[in-house]
Amino acid sequence: SAVISQKPSRDICQRGTSLTIQCQVDSQVTMMFWYRQQPGQSLTLIATANQGSEATYESGFVIDKFPISRPNLTFSTLTVSNMSPEDSSIYLCSVETGIMETQYFGPGTRLLVL
Amino acid sequence: LAKTTQPISMDSYEGQEVNITCSHNNIATNDYITWYQQFPSQGPRFIIQGYKTKVTNEVASLFIPADRKSSTLSLPRVSLSDTAVYYCLVGAYGQNFVFGPGTRLSVLP
Repeated sequence: SAVISQKPSRDICQRGTSLTIQCQVDSQVTMMFWYRQQPGQSLTLIATANQGSEATYESGFVIDKFPISRPNLTFSTLTVSNMSPEDSSIYLCSVETGIMETQYFGPGTRLLVL
Repeated sequence: LAKTTQPISMDSYEGQEVNITCSHNNIATNDYITWYQQFPSQGPRFIIQGYKTKVTNEVASLFIPADRKSSTLSLPRVSLSDTAVYYCLVGAYGQNFVFGPGTRLSVLP
């Protein structure tokens, strides 16, 4: 398994500002993922972040709004830019690891935009 | 990506065995079947993963028939703390998981 931490755990932000969410994993992993979970909904993949390459974004998500960094094999950041109340969600990172390439999830970052 | 179908909700009582079945008719040869549990305000927690036949761990069992077009998560003797949303996911290494709505399990006293 993998132990994943996220910072901050929660935040309240003003519209128009940006927030950077950090994801740290306790072992080196190739593939990291960022998801969004809106209130009462299921998880939606934002992008896949592999070390040494540009992040790959899913339909409906763009780099200008959700820039991602992946500087090494244990760390990634997701920035939510120019926030609006519609960005209020839980943001989760996950990693793929182990013999069966299982995905493990972080605890999430709860974001409220006013 | 194989799409999955599972019941939206289920109710059970403490001490009972709960079986949640997931359909994945177009599962590919390289796809694994993975189940997650999610409590409110927490990230999904890995429960069990399998490719075929039966897998058992300290938490649950996963039954996969020979055609792999469905799978059943079995939770023995559930307790109130097992109340959560359970997600069935199908995919291969490097593929993105597509989360459906999951099954909301309510365990009643």
